[in-house]
Amino acid sequence: KAGVTQTPRYLIKTRGQQVTLSCSPISGHRSVSWYQQTPGQGLQFLFEYFSETQRNKGNFPGRFSGRQFSNSRSEMNVSTLELGDSALYLCASSLDPTGTWGNTIYFGEGSWLTVV
Amino acid sequence: QQQVKQSPQSLIVQKGGIPIINCAYENTAFDYFPWYQQFPGKGPALLIAIRPDVSEKKEGRFTISFNKSAKQFSLHIMDSQPGDSATYFCAASSGGNEKLTFGTGTRLTIIP
Repeated sequence: KAGVTQTPRYLIKTRGQQVTLSCSPISGHRSVSWYQQTPGQGLQFLFEYFSETQRNKGNFPGRFSGRQFSNSRSEMNVSTLELGDSALYLCASSLDPTGTWGNTIYFGEGSWLTVV
Repeated sequence: QQQVKQSPQSLIVQKGGIPIINCAYENTAFDYFPWYQQFPGKGPALLIAIRPDVSEKKEGRFTISFNKSAKQFSLHIMDSQPGDSATYFCAASSGGNEKLTFGTGTRLTIIP
């Protein structure tokens, strides 16, 4: 069974540009979440999608957005990139987000974004 | 109130020793406490998780101890091996919510 797949794995962008990152969840998983990981701030929750709807949102500016498609695949977009957006962006998926305790959340290997 | 505080930031233990990583939380609504292991260049992987009505859970060499009244939980690694060298994160969430609040991580090094 394939794990959570993220593309691209590495990318370099210039300040002011925008970027789109893609995530394919584990087959059958309906919830997709995104996290930002930096040395200074650690792992921070960006947002979570289920059935193409955003269920939860973290404390990030509106430049960070996402969406989920009918096949559960998800994309996140960051517009007007800033140097501080340089980070590892992790996608995670889980089977059932409907209040069941202990839904295992599986992470992908992440997309390394460097903003110069 | 959403914070999860983790200590120590780094830890060096000799092979066979028992590293202990501690976490404390404030939000009493948290009811799911997983621990994740992350190797360089990889995403975090779930190690073990506990619910607040259980004081201890063991899976292989990994044990979580949970103190609900103190709002603290800790990870113990028995018979630690150099292959356990990684960064460990505690986390918490509530109500089956997929939003995990992570601790700041502990970089563990097991020396032979």
